[in-house]
Amino acid sequence: GAGVSQSPRYKVAKRGQDVALRCDPISGHVSLFWYQQALGQGPEFLTYFQNEAQLDKSGLPSDRFFAERPEGSVSTLKIQRTQQEDSAVYLCASSLATAWPGYEQYFGPGTRLTVT
Amino acid sequence: QKEVEQNSGPLSVPEGAIASLNCTYSDRGSQSFFWYRQYSGKSPELIMSIYSNGDKEDGRFTAQLNKASQYVSLLIRDSQPSDSATYLCAVNYSGTYKYIFGTGTRLKVLA
Repeated sequence: GAGVSQSPRYKVAKRGQDVALRCDPISGHVSLFWYQQALGQGPEFLTYFQNEAQLDKSGLPSDRFFAERPEGSVSTLKIQRTQQEDSAVYLCASSLATAWPGYEQYFGPGTRLTVT
Repeated sequence: QKEVEQNSGPLSVPEGAIASLNCTYSDRGSQSFFWYRQYSGKSPELIMSIYSNGDKEDGRFTAQLNKASQYVSLLIRDSQPSDSATYLCAVNYSGTYKYIFGTGTRLKVLA
C-alpha cells in the first residue's frame, strides 16, 4: 500500500517567511510524529499526535513552530518567521500503535527546508 | 552525556562478514528500542524493534538488548555492499511519546 507522503519535497524560504509542510500518513495509522534532522545528525523529535490530539509537543524548538492534525489524518507543520537555523530536513512518521510497547514508525521522504 | 550514543564510524567490513553496531542509552526506564537504516539522502527505514532482554532475529539481522547494561546492538550477518548506510538506534524516553535517536553509525561494506 501507499506509504507516508510529504510535500513539498524541497522548500526554499527567505528569512522571515512562513512555511507550511504537509504530511499524509499511512491510511489507518493513528499515531503521527514530526522530526527535524540536521545534516549528520539523527532525527530530533518535535511533536506527537494520536488521532487529532497533540499529546506531546515538548520537542518544538520555539513558539514559531506549530503543528496540527485537525481531522486525525493529514498533518501540517507550520514554521513562522523562518530563521537560518530552521534549515533542516523535516520528517514525518506514522505508526499503527497507540500504546506500549512501542511505536514502529514508518517515515515519509521528508521535506528539505533551506532558509536563505 | 547524550541520551543515546552511537559510534559515528565509519565501520568498514568486508563483504560476507558480520557487522556489529552498538548503541548505549541513559534512560533506565526505556522499554522500546528500534534500529533504522538510512541511505544517504533518504529517510530512515525500520529494520527491527526489540522490547525484551536477549536476542531477536529477523533474516540476516539480529538485535540484542541488555537493559541492565543499557545497551542495544545490531548484528548484520553476511554483509552486502547494499547494506552500506547509516544505522540509527532509537529509544523511547520512558513515560513519554518521545523517541530519541542516536547520531547513527555509518557502515561501509567493501566488495
